[in-house]
Amino acid sequence: QKEVEQDPGPLSVPEGAIVSLNCTYSNSAFQYFMWYRQYSRKGPELLMYTYSSGNKEDGRFTAQVDKSSKYISLFIRDSQPSDSATYLCAMIYNNAGNMLTFGGGTRLMVKP
Amino acid sequence: DAGVIQSPRHEVTEMGQEVTLRCKPISGHNSLFWYRQTMMRGLELLIYFNNNVPIDDSGMPEDRFSAKMPNASFSTLKIQPSEPRDSAVYFCASTQETGYGYTFGSGTRLTVV
Repeated sequence: QKEVEQDPGPLSVPEGAIVSLNCTYSNSAFQYFMWYRQYSRKGPELLMYTYSSGNKEDGRFTAQVDKSSKYISLFIRDSQPSDSATYLCAMIYNNAGNMLTFGGGTRLMVKP
Repeated sequence: DAGVIQSPRHEVTEMGQEVTLRCKPISGHNSLFWYRQTMMRGLELLIYFNNNVPIDDSGMPEDRFSAKMPNASFSTLKIQPSEPRDSAVYFCASTQETGYGYTFGSGTRLTVV
């Protein structure tokens, strides 16, 4: 079993829909949680960064962490075709070592 | 800030040839990572440097792969001899020691024929 599991998709939604992307993890030692967005033929770019349980909102994006369930989510409101990309969750035990563990990524397609 | 700079962007080489990938991290970042991405395996960490010192190279597939970081502003990943199964996109990423996410380069798409 991988440490971080993520449905590869693809997930296809109409423009304007609310998108929910999710990851589960097995190691309760993870403390910091991130979401990266990767456009085709580009490197991943950091989208959201959260610490421990709770919600964090940034514009149309909301990151949610539930440490008791070992489950993290990224919600995208009013999805746009420009949101079409692969979304990777990532997590790290603590600041020491700085080694992120990535999920496999979910490919999202937002259709106009 | 120019971000993490990788070169070349694309590399096509014949099996058995030596390949060298280059990376310039963001100035002031103390940690540098080399990743390989394929459809089948996703993002795989190959090696990680902290303050120019290799900390963890357990992800390097085999002895054909080697990485160096001679100074804080430059790193190389070398494959010798290259094989078709090495075909992938290779990413370099850097971060400050505080561990606030990584900044990735645009990657080098390697094709070994």
